[in-house]
Amino acid sequence: QMHLQESGPGLVNPSATLSLTCTVSGDSIFPYYWSWVRQPPGRGLEWIGYVFYTGTTNYSPSLKSRLTMSVDTSRSQFSLKLTSVTAADTAVYFCAGAVAETADFQHWGQGALVTVSS
Amino acid sequence: QSVLTQPPSASGTPGQRVTISCSGSSSNIGSKYVYWYQQFPGLAPKLLIYRDTARPSGVPDRFSGSKSGTSASLAITGLRPEDEATYHCAAWDETLSGVLFGGGTRLTVL
Repeated sequence: QMHLQESGPGLVNPSATLSLTCTVSGDSIFPYYWSWVRQPPGRGLEWIGYVFYTGTTNYSPSLKSRLTMSVDTSRSQFSLKLTSVTAADTAVYFCAGAVAETADFQHWGQGALVTVSS
Repeated sequence: QSVLTQPPSASGTPGQRVTISCSGSSSNIGSKYVYWYQQFPGLAPKLLIYRDTARPSGVPDRFSGSKSGTSASLAITGLRPEDEATYHCAAWDETLSGVLFGGGTRLTVL
């Protein structure tokens, strides 16, 4: 049974960089497309982008200029960095895995609340 | 702003049949599979329907998905109090080259 766990600071200053890591356990990190999905308080889900286990990335156009995703297969981890954050980036950030370029997210982390505030 | 359009809310009484719609376009629902997720407050979404109509193991057959053209629907029959949750539709979008989610529909069991 695959388990995903997000980790990272819960509070980030405005204009700083938001960094999160997702650790995969219970199954192989191959050959999944590893996505980040966020949900602002009281709102819907927003796909941020994915990193394939090969390191190939695909970002949402609305966030592309501020995003970097990476994967560390030796640690079964993948990461998200979002620069120049504002209050609009406050959300619960979920990591999720799909076996193809689809919306078929079979595996989800529990989510990590990140608040952007000084 | 979601490109997949869902009603913000729906409701029904125990035992009733409820449907939730999801409207998109030819670049997403019209050409790609639709997925439905169930989400309870404070928890991660859970895959409810995949590839338009299929149910993962463990999902009751009270839940069913359908699709016609650029719209999809989730139907819940024999509504139960424990079905009270938010339901999200999702699909890959060819123009975006990424995943689109609907805005979510909050289902209330009266």
